[in-house]
Amino acid sequence: DVVMTQSPLSLPVTPGEPASISCRSSQSLLHSNGYNYLDWYLQKPGQSPQLLIYLGSNRASGVSDRFSGSGSGPDFTLNISRVEADDVGVYYCMQGLHIPCTFGQGTKLEIK
Amino acid sequence: EVRLVQSGGEVKKPGESLKISCKASGYTFSTYWIGWVRQMPGRGLEWMGMIFPGDSNTRYSPSFRGQVTISADKSINTAYLQWSSLRASDSAIYYCARPMIYDNRLGWFDFWGQGTLVTVSS
Repeated sequence: DVVMTQSPLSLPVTPGEPASISCRSSQSLLHSNGYNYLDWYLQKPGQSPQLLIYLGSNRASGVSDRFSGSGSGPDFTLNISRVEADDVGVYYCMQGLHIPCTFGQGTKLEIK
Repeated sequence: EVRLVQSGGEVKKPGESLKISCKASGYTFSTYWIGWVRQMPGRGLEWMGMIFPGDSNTRYSPSFRGQVTISADKSINTAYLQWSSLRASDSAIYYCARPMIYDNRLGWFDFWGQGTLVTVSS
């Protein structure tokens, strides 16, 4: 299975400050169509995961432009330009190019 | 509006069978894959498998093949996850989610159910 490794696992952030989460894959996630099959999800406390970014850098519908995804194998990054209180939760990266699809272990963002 | 509504929480004993459900609405159920994701207590997310309700084509993660059965009834827009003999280690929250297939690969999960908590304890 493709191993997805996130860092840091815990991320305390002051509101208004930027934040960055890294995700490294053990195999290439680049499809022949030019897209990296790498997504980012946020699981807010007590809720289901919600899609933030798909295919590496595409924001999902309704997602704030404060969130952006970048990178190419094996290193990917989720950036939050200005953290808000509502951004708390656990962030997961996921790859779908290889079956089984696999998730990172999660990064818990908390407000300082 | 796309919605995935899951059945309620379950408390079972080891060895018992269980079938949980995920009812879809707001889209043509038979033309999209639907999958299941496990989240054990305090842990991350694990993809279990998925089914295409149109022809019941099913894909399983090797970790879950033979441990669970994924099925769907397209006449009532409902997907199922079932166990024939539960273990304590099956205690977890189970999410159904709709995977978007892009160029024949799993692209992303765009909609998720609210989760079903399964507790297996003697």
